[in-house]
Order: sequence, then structure tokens, then C-alpha cells
Amino acid sequence: DAKTTQPTSMDCAEGRAANLPCNHSTISGNEYVYWYRQIHSQGPQYIIHGLKNNETNEMASLIITEDRKSSTLILPHATLRDTAVYYCIRRGTSYDKVIFGPGTSLSVIP
Amino acid sequence: KAGVTQTPRYLIKTRGQQVTLSCSPISGHRSVSWYQQTPGQGLQFLFEYFSETQRNKGNFPGRFSGRQFSNSRSEMNVSTLELGDSALYLCASSLLGGAGTGELFFGEGSRLTVL
Repeated sequence: DAKTTQPTSMDCAEGRAANLPCNHSTISGNEYVYWYRQIHSQGPQYIIHGLKNNETNEMASLIITEDRKSSTLILPHATLRDTAVYYCIRRGTSYDKVIFGPGTSLSVIP
Repeated sequence: KAGVTQTPRYLIKTRGQQVTLSCSPISGHRSVSWYQQTPGQGLQFLFEYFSETQRNKGNFPGRFSGRQFSNSRSEMNVSTLELGDSALYLCASSLLGGAGTGELFFGEGSRLTVL
């Protein structure tokens, strides 16, 4: 079975960029990489997704390596409100099960 | 527009009882998926519905079931509750069912406590 690996936890100073890595043991050509975050006891919130190219939106940037097995979510100027658990998942075009790993617990420190 | 609405937000049941949770997706979304979140197992996929048909199911016993109505609203049911069923149950809707470009929009969840 394909496995997704993320660091268990990370710290980031307020105002600095937070770079959260994600690795997939395998990823199919039609599978997108999605990032979500979950602030304590709330429903997960969509952040960004991508297939091959790097992506940017108002919340974050997503860097995907050429082999697509690694991606990095970048929060350019982390704030205390960015403290959350961040999940990266693969999501294809078929009705695949959506597999969430344990995610990365990001703590933004004043 | 309104987000994903889950009801009830909190409920307490006893072992052996059954429970039904409801999810109203974002207007126009036809896909609804359900997840169980516990401290020990994290977020686990339960099932996904699209156009009233179950498209995929996670590794949960038959006590966990669901359905989707013609207006895309969905319910999930857990029968013969066990202590281990205590969890946050999350529902997500998506414009596209299972497709790579359909981001998931989550509700706030229904927190079930089984005593």
C-alpha cells in the first residue's frame, strides 16, 4: 500500500515562513496532492492542491518535485492562527478511499 | 453560501443503542464523504456517496452504514454502539465525486460519546 510520510511536529517563529514537507511512497499520474489543516476540534480546512506544477493561492504555496513523490507546503508569513495539524493526501480521479495520515502538528511560536 | 452542516453537534449514547447523524452538503455539491476521527486512529475514511450511490467504503464493520438522498443530504447510522465508537464524525462535501479536482469541504463534525 502507498504510504504518506510527514514529520510528526514542527515549530515555526511567528512571521517566518513555515515549510511543511510530505512524501508519498508512490503516486499515480492522475493523483493530485491536496493539503488540509485542522485547528483543534474543528473540521479540516482545504488549503491548496496541485498535480505537477507549483501552485500559489492567498493562503499558501505548494512546491511539487518532478517525480511528484515529494511536496512542500509553504506558509510565507506564519501567524499564531496557523497553529494546526496539517495533512497532505493523494486524491485521484476514481472513487478512491481518501487516506489521511497522522499529519504534522505545526506550532507557531511568538 | 452556506457551508456543510452537520447535526447534531454533540450527543451522548449508551452501549447497544444506535445513532443517526445528518449532513447537509454545500448547495450544488453531489458528493458526500464521511470520516471518523479518534485520538488513537486519526482521521479514517468511512464511505463516500455520489448521486445517491455508495462509491467507496472504508474498513469499518457493517454496523456503520449510510445513505444519500436525492437532494444530496446524507445520513450515517451506527448500530449496536460500542465504547470505541466514541469519536468526532466528520462529513465533507465535494462538487465532484472522487475526482482529482474536487476539494473537500468539511463540516464541524458530530461528537459522539458512548457510555
